Amino acid sequence: QITLKESGPTLVKPTQTLTLTCTFSGFSLSTSGVGVGWIRQPPGKALEWLALIYWDDDKRYSPSLKSRLTITKDTSKNQVVLTMTNMDPVDTATYYCAHGRYSYGSFTISIYFDYWGQGTLVTVSS
Amino acid sequence: QSVLTQPPSASGTPGQRVTISCSGSISNIGSNTVNWYQQLPGTAPKLLIYTNVQRPSGVPDRFSGSKSGTSASLAISGLQSEDEADYYCAAWDDNLNGFRFGGGTKLTVL
Repeated sequence: QITLKESGPTLVKPTQTLTLTCTFSGFSLSTSGVGVGWIRQPPGKALEWLALIYWDDDKRYSPSLKSRLTITKDTSKNQVVLTMTNMDPVDTATYYCAHGRYSYGSFTISIYFDYWGQGTLVTVSS
Repeated sequence: QSVLTQPPSASGTPGQRVTISCSGSISNIGSNTVNWYQQLPGTAPKLLIYTNVQRPSGVPDRFSGSKSGTSASLAISGLQSEDEADYYCAAWDDNLNGFRFGGGTKLTVL
């Protein structure tokens, strides 16, 4: 049974750095084709993909946020950490981590997130 | 404006069939596979369709996905009140070298 859970501060001040941890069970992040992604959702708005780390430590970031994001994994602890610098009130959102599956064939990329954490609401305010 | 374009809302009556469209481009839907997510109020998204047409275990066969060219669709047949939710399409975008969600469609069961 795959489970994921996000943890981190619920309130951060503008300009501070946010550090979120995704602790998971039921899979290994060293298994080929597996990844963990971060997705956020501002209140009342759409989902926004932030970052993805693959089993081989390859990393991908949202182009619009790339300069502010860092994603790392600790396979032995079954954790993935996302840091986001220079937080702003517009970054107020529920942040989700999710188990991802990746495959590539015939010049086609297939990526999907099949298990999600419950999400954690992060508010940015002074 | 999202790279993947969905209608903001859709509606139907119980038992009806509704479809939700997702329009993209050659760099995303045209080149890669599409997934669909259902988000019930106050809950985390749930994978509904992956690799264009596949349903995860436990997803009723009332839900079906299709893809043609640079567009994709989610069809829900035998609409039920519990289907009232937000629905998102998603795909990898080669140009952006990133994953993209559509803007979401709020489905109302009348």
